[in-house]
Amino acid sequence: NAGVTQTPKFQVLKTGQSMTLQCAQDMNHEYMSWYRQDPGMGLRLIHYSVGAGITDQGEVPNGYNVSRSTTEDFPLRLLSAAPSQTSVYFCASSQNRGQETQYFGPGTRLLVL
Amino acid sequence: QQQVKQSPQSLIVQKGGISIINCAYENTAFDYFPWYQQFPGKGPALLIAIRPDVSEKKEGRFTISFNKSAKQFSLHIMDSQPGDSATYFCAATYTGNQFYFGTGTSLTVIP
Repeated sequence: NAGVTQTPKFQVLKTGQSMTLQCAQDMNHEYMSWYRQDPGMGLRLIHYSVGAGITDQGEVPNGYNVSRSTTEDFPLRLLSAAPSQTSVYFCASSQNRGQETQYFGPGTRLLVL
Repeated sequence: QQQVKQSPQSLIVQKGGISIINCAYENTAFDYFPWYQQFPGKGPALLIAIRPDVSEKKEGRFTISFNKSAKQFSLHIMDSQPGDSATYFCAATYTGNQFYFGTGTSLTVIP
């Protein structure tokens, strides 16, 4: 049981490049979410999903796209990276709607030059 | 606008002492208040959580105190240990979908 996995661990992008941050969970959790963590800002919700085919915006969704084609996977796409998207990104999952324990992945550190 | 305000930003406590971290919120619709612990290079992990129908919840050395009328809640770590050195985040939610996190408190416990 691997829990929540994220790839890559670290990525450097140039402004304007696109990339996909991968997130997968093997706990059959319905709820998955993406956060970004910035110094002095805590964690801020980007997008979340309550099940396959259902996604919604969080607090800071601009510049990011998501999709949920399977229960296990919840990728986060940056279509045109900007320096303001330099951050540490965490994926999380829980059994159902987020009042249950959320399990976080190890994070992806992204640097946009 | 920060939905959940957390203080202090950093905290240094002697081993065996009590660590206290405070959070305040404005939205009275919030109905679930978890605390997360994060070690460097790791993702946050749920530490303890409370709902507003109780004023206190204790799990081992960790206690949440909740004051509904003041819209405040706090984490108390009794007999603090060097292994407790980490960053702590409070959070709140009212839909179970959108969580709002505090800005974090970096705790250092000195041996």
